Amino acid sequence: EVQLVESGGVVVQPGGSLRLSCAASGFTFDDYAMHWVRQAPGKGLEWVSLISWDGGRTSYADSVKGRFTISRDNSKNSLYLQMNSLRPEDTALYHCAAQDSTGYYSLDYWGQGTLVTVSS
Amino acid sequence: EIVLTQSPGTLSLSPGERATLSCRASQSISSSYLAWYQQKPGQAPRLLIYGASSRATGIPDRFSGSGSGTDFTLTISRLEPEDFAVYYCQQYAGSSWTFGQGAKVEIK
Repeated sequence: EVQLVESGGVVVQPGGSLRLSCAASGFTFDDYAMHWVRQAPGKGLEWVSLISWDGGRTSYADSVKGRFTISRDNSKNSLYLQMNSLRPEDTALYHCAAQDSTGYYSLDYWGQGTLVTVSS
Repeated sequence: EIVLTQSPGTLSLSPGERATLSCRASQSISSSYLAWYQQKPGQAPRLLIYGASSRATGIPDRFSGSGSGTDFTLTISRLEPEDFAVYYCQQYAGSSWTFGQGAKVEIK
């Protein structure tokens, strides 16, 4: 069974930093590009970042560029998101997701998410 | 950045009825890169349709996708009670993924 389990979400003050983790199991992790997608309370889905299967390529939404860094450790089947200079508008449920490996760029597997709250 | 606009925002229907959801892109996109997701309260999104018209594994055949260029449609032929949820379209273009704002299918 495919599982993606996020962790690391907490309440943090504006300007603070946080590192999210996503533990993957039930599929060949290093065959898949991985994403972070967030959802503000009561709002829709917002794509945040992508990392290729080998970590050689990354991409970010403009809203987080320069503040967030995505990384992965294939030996640990884990994905990470380093979040710096956090703002109240970063408050959201952060999901990790595995991208289709056959060329369609859809997000095939999703985790339940970890909640990040940025507030003083 | 390509913007996806979904309509209607909310669709009020009864079980057994047909649901038609629209997703319009601000510029033409490849059909291969258009997907649809379903999200229920408190749950992660679930992939329904990829490549504009291909059903994901385990998705019932009452769900179908169509369209090309800038106009795409998700159709649920006969609504089951478990289909009342929020639906999102998503596209990929040039190292960026974007989602539509979502469309809620609610029980009338």
